[in-house]
Amino acid sequence: GAGVSQSPSNKVTEKGKDVELRCDPISGHTALYWYRQSLGQGLEFLIYFQGNSAPDKSGLPSDRFSAERTGGSVSTLTIQRTQQEDSAVYLCASSLEGNSHNEQFFGPGTRLTVL
Amino acid sequence: QQQVKQSPQSLIVQKGGISIINCAYENTAFDYFPWYQQFPGKGPALLIAIRPDVSEKKEGRFTISFNKSAKQFSLHIMDSQPGDSATYFCAAIYPGNQFYFGTGTSLTVIP
Repeated sequence: GAGVSQSPSNKVTEKGKDVELRCDPISGHTALYWYRQSLGQGLEFLIYFQGNSAPDKSGLPSDRFSAERTGGSVSTLTIQRTQQEDSAVYLCASSLEGNSHNEQFFGPGTRLTVL
Repeated sequence: QQQVKQSPQSLIVQKGGISIINCAYENTAFDYFPWYQQFPGKGPALLIAIRPDVSEKKEGRFTISFNKSAKQFSLHIMDSQPGDSATYFCAAIYPGNQFYFGTGTSLTVIP
C-alpha cells in the first residue's frame, strides 16, 4: 500500500515569502506528526494531530509556523515570512492512533531552502 | 534543551563487528524508547523499540539494552554489514505522545 507522501520534495524560496508544505498520511491513520530535521540537530517535534485537532502545538518554533489538517487526512504546514534559519528538511509521519506505542511511518520529507 | 542525548555522532565499524550507539535521558516520565534507521533521502523507519520495564530486547542482529536506574539505553548491532550504514536515531516518548529524538549517529560499516 501507499506510504506517507509529502510535496513538494524540494522547495527553494526567498526570505520573507510564505511556503506551504503538504503531507498525505497513510489511509486510515488518525494521528499525524510534523518534524523538522536540521543538519546535526536530529529531529525536532513540531506538532501532532489526532484527527483534525492538534492537542500538542508546543513544538512550533514561532507564530510564523502554523498547521492544519482537514477531513482527518491531508495536512499542510505553513511557514510565513520565511527566514534563512527555517531551512531544513520537514518530515511528516502518521500512525494508526495517537498512542505513543504505535509505530510512526515517515514520509520522505520536504527539503526547504530559504535564500 | 536536549531531552535525549545521543553518542557518538559518527561511528565507523568493520564488517562483522559490533556497532554500539548510546542514549541518555533525564525525564522519568518517558514510557517508550524506539530506535529509528534513516537512509539518505528517506524518512526514518522504526527499527526496534523497548518499554522501560524491560532490560533487553533483541530482534535479529539488533538489540536494545535498557538501564532504567542509569536512565540510559543503547543499540547494539551484531555482525554489522555494509547495508547497515545509515543514520540511527534514538527517541523517548511521553505518554502524551510527544516524541523527543536524539541528534543521530552516522554509522559507516567498512567492507
